[in-house]
Amino acid sequence: AQTVTQSQPEMSVQEAETVTLSCTYDTSENNYYLFWYKQPPSRQMILVIRQEAYKQQNATENRFSVNFQKAAKSFSLKISDSQLGDTAMYFCAFMKHGGNNDMRFGAGTRLTVKP
Amino acid sequence: EAQVTQNPRYLITVTGKKLTVTCSQNMNHEYMSWYRQDPGLGLRQIYYSMNVEVTDKGDVPEGYKVSRKEKRNFPLILESPSPNQTSLYFCASHPGQGERWRAYEQYFGPGTRLTVT
Repeated sequence: AQTVTQSQPEMSVQEAETVTLSCTYDTSENNYYLFWYKQPPSRQMILVIRQEAYKQQNATENRFSVNFQKAAKSFSLKISDSQLGDTAMYFCAFMKHGGNNDMRFGAGTRLTVKP
Repeated sequence: EAQVTQNPRYLITVTGKKLTVTCSQNMNHEYMSWYRQDPGLGLRQIYYSMNVEVTDKGDVPEGYKVSRKEKRNFPLILESPSPNQTSLYFCASHPGQGERWRAYEQYFGPGTRLTVT
């Protein structure tokens, strides 16, 4: 079974600075998808960014980008120009292509952006 | 507006009193799931459904039941709740078909905070 590990339970960053959240995963699959979800205090799960394993190019969405290292099974999230609204819990998630609908989540990293 | 709705948002109940958390999606998605979120554990799948009348267990199905009689609805039933089922519950859906990654993007409901005393 696939597992997802987020080794940083909590992180903090100063407003306008850059922070990187780590995620590693374990799988024998070759075709899969990786996601980062943000959960603000409202508890809503919001998709931040996604990566398809067959694509070598790292995904970017405005201030959010990933460093996808398929061989190392690593999928880190970089947040540039951090804003107070980025304060949230961030979850890394894995889903294999053609799988049985089982999305695997890491334990989460609580990020605090300080003014 | 495309959305997944859950009710109730908050629920406090006592051990053994049957309850149902409703979930509905208006996006005609094939797949629906229930997750529970606990501190330090992330989200874990309870049950999922691939279509009407097709359901299967996830990682933590004990103490829960589900049904999928209509494509849009996927209720979660706790027939005899216990304190270890105190958690934050999410319903989610995804298309299961379409452009590659979009087929797998989960759309989440707003969550249900359940407390069992």
